[in-house]
Formats: sequence, C-alpha cells, structure tokens
Amino acid sequence: EVQLVETGGGLIQPGGSLRLSCAASGFTVSSNYMSWVRQAPGKGLEWVSVIYSGGSTYYADSVKGRFTISRDNSKNTLYLQMNSLRAEDTAVYYCASRGGGGPDGWFDPWGQGTLVTVSS
Amino acid sequence: QSVLTQPPSVSGAPGQRVTISCTGSSSNIGAGYDVHWYQQLPGTAPKLLIYGNSNRPSGVPDRFSGSKSGTSASLAITGLQAEDEADYYCQSYDSSLSGPNWVFGGGTKLTVL
Repeated sequence: EVQLVETGGGLIQPGGSLRLSCAASGFTVSSNYMSWVRQAPGKGLEWVSVIYSGGSTYYADSVKGRFTISRDNSKNTLYLQMNSLRAEDTAVYYCASRGGGGPDGWFDPWGQGTLVTVSS
Repeated sequence: QSVLTQPPSVSGAPGQRVTISCTGSSSNIGAGYDVHWYQQLPGTAPKLLIYGNSNRPSGVPDRFSGSKSGTSASLAITGLQAEDEADYYCQSYDSSLSGPNWVFGGGTKLTVL
C-alpha cells in the first residue's frame, strides 16, 4: 500500500524555522515528482513546492527564497525546510505525489498533513 | 483570490443531482491543460476524485463524473448521498509564470439537505 506520513509541524514564532518530513512507503520518492501543498485554516489548497525526479526544484512565489524542498533517497523521505516564517504561513502542510505524464498532472496520493502555526 | 473560480457552496437533497463548476482562463484550462477534482471530508486530507477531466480512480463510484469545455470544467454528482457532504476542489496547471504552477479552485462546500 502506498502511504505518505508527514511529521514536524508545530507552533513556531514569526521569523523562526521548521523542517517538515514526509516518509513514503510503497513507492520510491526519488522516482516521482513530489510536492508540498498547504491549506490555511478554513481556506483552500495552495501548491507550495515541487522536486522533480531529476532533482530540479520549484517554488510558489509566496515562499520563494524562504522554503527549500529536498529529499533523502536512502530514507525515502521528502523534506520542506521553512525559514523566516510568517503568520500567513500558518497552514496544514500536505505532501503529495504527482500523477500523470505531463505538466498538468494530478496529486495522488496525499499524506495526512501536519499543522504549522506561526504565532508569538 | 484563487486562479480557478468555484461557487462557495452548493446543496441538494438525497438522490438529487448537483454540479460544481470550475472556471479558469486561457493560461490554464483554456490552454488545454487537464482538470482534476478532489473530495475533502471534514478533518481529512484531499482525495483524488476525478483525473484527466473525466476519469475516475479505482474505487470512486460512477455517481461522480467530470467534464471540460473551453475555459471551464464541471463535476457532477448524481444520486446524492449523505456521505457526499464535503468540500470539493478543482485543480489544473497554469502557464502564466516562468516556472511550473499548479493551481486550485477556492473549493465548494456541498451540503446534503
């Protein structure tokens, strides 16, 4: 069974840093396009970042320069390093694998999400 | 402000049919990019419901169907059931930026009366 499990969320002060992890089982992280998608409380979904199987990384403008996506192939785990956190980064963060062969693929499966709260 | 526009809410009685629209533009749906739909039950992660405009993953009932035309897409749910009460999101790809950009609708809350 394919499964993604996120950890690392919590309460952090503005300006602080946090690293999220997404452990995968049932498939290989490095062979897939892996993304982070977030959802602010009571709001919709927002794509945050992607790492391609070849290692290229891309970010939404809202997090560019502050967040870094990476993976550890030996641990089959995806990461999101979040620096200079702001109140508006408060959200549930989901990791998801991208399906389909073209740029307009879908997200499946999803992890259960981890809540990041940025507040003093 | 989401790139894709959905109605905030729709409702219907058990057994009825409801549709949820998703309107985009020439840089996303209108550019020919596929539309996908997700169902999010309260307190849970989104679940893929429709992919590639009209395809259902294994296990999704055929009461759910999707279509796309021009710059818009629609999700139809027939034979409404109480367990269909959830938030529904459309998703596509947008080419207006220099890098990849996956975009979502703002979500539609379905209430089963």
